[in-house]
Parts: sequence; structure tokens; C-alpha cells
Amino acid sequence: EPEVTQTPSHQVTQMGQEVILRCVPISNHLYFYWYRQILGQKVEFLVSFYNNEISEKSEIFDDQFSVERPDGSNFTLKIRSTKLEDSAMYFCASSLSWEGTQYFGPGTRLLVL
Amino acid sequence: AQSVAQPEDQVNVAEGNPLTVKCTYSVSGNPYLFWYVQYPNRGLQFLLKYITGDNLVKGSYGFEAEFNKSQTSFHLKKPSALVSDSALYFCAVRDMATSGTYKYIFGTGTRLKVLA
Repeated sequence: EPEVTQTPSHQVTQMGQEVILRCVPISNHLYFYWYRQILGQKVEFLVSFYNNEISEKSEIFDDQFSVERPDGSNFTLKIRSTKLEDSAMYFCASSLSWEGTQYFGPGTRLLVL
Repeated sequence: AQSVAQPEDQVNVAEGNPLTVKCTYSVSGNPYLFWYVQYPNRGLQFLLKYITGDNLVKGSYGFEAEFNKSQTSFHLKKPSALVSDSALYFCAVRDMATSGTYKYIFGTGTRLKVLA
């Protein structure tokens, strides 16, 4: 069964450093998403992406965040200058259509020191 | 705004007994509801969804959920719990963004512990 994959599974970085989290969505899916889950808290929407542009972003998704689909398979989340409060599990998701079920990847656990 | 609530942080059940994980929702319009499960060090795995139709929705791993419009609930159930069902369960509701795409609003999660 096709699934969303994410790399790395864990990332430790120093405050102020840039990080790039990578995702490979399900191959025929067209809509892509990032969510995050701060430890002990609920999963929160960050951004949705379709047709090479952001469809929607939450208030969390400020200028320090960016997303990109650099080729036909990868979908990345970049945090330009990490802060301590960016420490969280980041989930990528994809859906076939705008109303299709979103399927989530295993997550990348980011720790900012 | 759409929201879901999971009133129990943890549910303990003996193996072989039926289990219920509760979820209530608050939406404007028709609700589109989902259950996901998160095993340790794993992502969110889709279990089932309610869009329309039968109030009893069947999903993966023997789970089902009952949609109750009058009680605004969407409880997850399984007739006979397994130890391997122990995990974190999230209820979610679909919310339309201003762009016309959808985002999911998640509950706080309920940890299910099935005791041997």
C-alpha cells in the first residue's frame, strides 16, 4: 500500500540554524500539507500546497517557514532560523483531491537546542 | 469554527472487552469526521471517516465509529480489544479553509491502554 515517507526521522539542531524537512507524498496525490505536534499537545495545521503554490497557511506559518516542491516527488518544509519553540513532531500529509482523505507520514521529530 | 473534543485523556480496557473512545464535535454545516491512530514512533494512521450515509462506519483493524447527530458525537468502538490496540487515538474534523482547500482540526488525543 502506498504511503507518505519523511526524512529524517529525527533532527537535532542549534537555535538559529536552518532546517529542511523532507517528505515524499503518495505518488499520484496532488495536495500536500504540513502539520506539527508540540509534545503533549494537539496536532496543528501549518500549510497546504497545491499546484506549486500555498493554498492556505495558519498563523503559525510565519516568514521563517517556507515550503517547496523541488521536483516531481519531494515536498519540503524549511525553517529558516529555528527557535526553541519550533521543537515538535512535524507531519507531512497528502491527498488525491482537494476533498480526499489526508494520509500522514511517520513524522520528523525536530529538537532545537 | 469547527472543533472536536476528546473528553478522556486515557482509557483503560481489559483485553477481549469492548472499547469506546469518545469524540464530540462542533461544526457549522455537515460534519466530515475522521479517526486516526498513532502508535509509538509512528505517524498518524487513518482508521475511518464519516462523510455521509450510514451512521455506523467500519474501518481498519476491526474498528468502527458511530455518528450521532443529535448528540454531536462520533465515538470510536471495537467489540473486542487487543493489547496491540494500545496507542494514541485522534479524532479530527475537516474544516474548509478560505482558499477552498481543507485542513483537519484534531482533538487532543486519547491514550488507549489495553491490559492483558
